[in-house]
Amino acid sequence: AAGVIQSPRHLIKEKRETATLKCYPIPRHDTVYWYQQGPGQDPQFLISFYEKMQSDKGSIPDRFSAQQFSDYHSELNMSSLELGDSALYFCASSLAGYFEAFFGQGTRLTVV
Amino acid sequence: AQKVTQAQTEISVVEKEDVTLDCVYETRDTTYYLFWYKQPPSGELVFLIRRNSFDEQNEISGRYSWNFQKSTSSFNFTITASQVVDSAVYFCALSEADRDDKIIFGKGTRLHILP
Repeated sequence: AAGVIQSPRHLIKEKRETATLKCYPIPRHDTVYWYQQGPGQDPQFLISFYEKMQSDKGSIPDRFSAQQFSDYHSELNMSSLELGDSALYFCASSLAGYFEAFFGQGTRLTVV
Repeated sequence: AQKVTQAQTEISVVEKEDVTLDCVYETRDTTYYLFWYKQPPSGELVFLIRRNSFDEQNEISGRYSWNFQKSTSSFNFTITASQVVDSAVYFCALSEADRDDKIIFGKGTRLHILP
């Protein structure tokens, strides 16, 4: 069965650079979530989209933005990267109302 | 506000022992969902189980079992006859029906199975 696809799997950027993470949800899923997991931490909710509209927002820095496109894939854009942005970024998708979010394998971002 | 507490930060047991991971949750919703995820050293989040608030039946899947008790707001996870491959971080999580399916995680319990 198709799963949530995230790309890239690994990314190394320098401070103050920009990064774009991509997420391709499971086919027919209409909701996408982004989470950030720092070293030794639990995944923290950043933002979610339902039918291409932002549905909820968590502790997402102003330097980050995200959107969901017409084909339901989503991108997380991160600007002016800081060392503290180094983390594992997860995308999850679900079909609204089914309460069963499926997580991608994550993108490991390292800021140097 | 929703909250998930995993009081055990780290547990070490010898292989073949049974181990229980505790999870206590807080929610004002009557409809909610509870989850357990496993995160091995490779980093991915592996879904283990989902339980809705109206289903208090315990569940067993192989060596894994879950005990859901609404009276104590707990959703504990037991691994029977633990194996080294069970070594991972385990997250308990909660999703409220009125919160757009967003999943909130506990801090996780790091489980070491010693050979």
